[in-house]
Amino acid sequence: NAGVTQTPKFRILKIGQSMTLQCTQDMNHNYMYWYRQDPGMGLKLIYYSVGAGITDKGEVPNGYNVSRSTTEDFPLRLELAAPSQTSVYFCASSRRDSANYNSPLHFGNGTRLTVT
Amino acid sequence: KNQVEQSPQSLIILEGKNCTLQCNYTVSPFSNLRWYKQDTGRGPVSLTIMTFSENTKSNGRYTATLDADTKQSSLHITASQLSDSASYICVVSLNAGNMLTFGGGTRLMVKP
Repeated sequence: NAGVTQTPKFRILKIGQSMTLQCTQDMNHNYMYWYRQDPGMGLKLIYYSVGAGITDKGEVPNGYNVSRSTTEDFPLRLELAAPSQTSVYFCASSRRDSANYNSPLHFGNGTRLTVT
Repeated sequence: KNQVEQSPQSLIILEGKNCTLQCNYTVSPFSNLRWYKQDTGRGPVSLTIMTFSENTKSNGRYTATLDADTKQSSLHITASQLSDSASYICVVSLNAGNMLTFGGGTRLMVKP
């Protein structure tokens, strides 16, 4: 029962570098999400997907891109890393949309990213 | 603006004691309210989900209450254990769409 798996666990980037955060889930969930968590702050939605081939912006999408070619995978791309993107990134999935009563989010264990 | 405020920010209790964490929200229209537990270095894990028509929901030693009129929720932990040391996050869902509003969390430390 792997659930939601994120790689890498830690990464240090220099300003201007790019990278892809990987996320895969084995629960056959249609809905997938990317959040960032800053110290003392609530999680903020970056992007989400309601199914393969469909993505949409969340609350803080600037500086990020996503793709959803399969049900299982939902990678997050940072093109030009900036210090403001230093954060912990969480991928999550759910069976239905997150407003649905019967649909808790299942989170991965996060990627801690530092941009210097 | 939709907001979720949690108190206290941090709390230290002795093992075996009870504690109550608070969550006030201004999210509207409201669909459901969730409590998550987040261990250090891990992702959040769902504890309870309540709709506006539910007043209380239990999950083992965790009991969540909801007052939709005053827009307040609480999470009560009974007979705390060392493994309860974690951050507890209150999350409110809008009535439709995929937007959840997360509180900043309460960091609980249980000492022996």
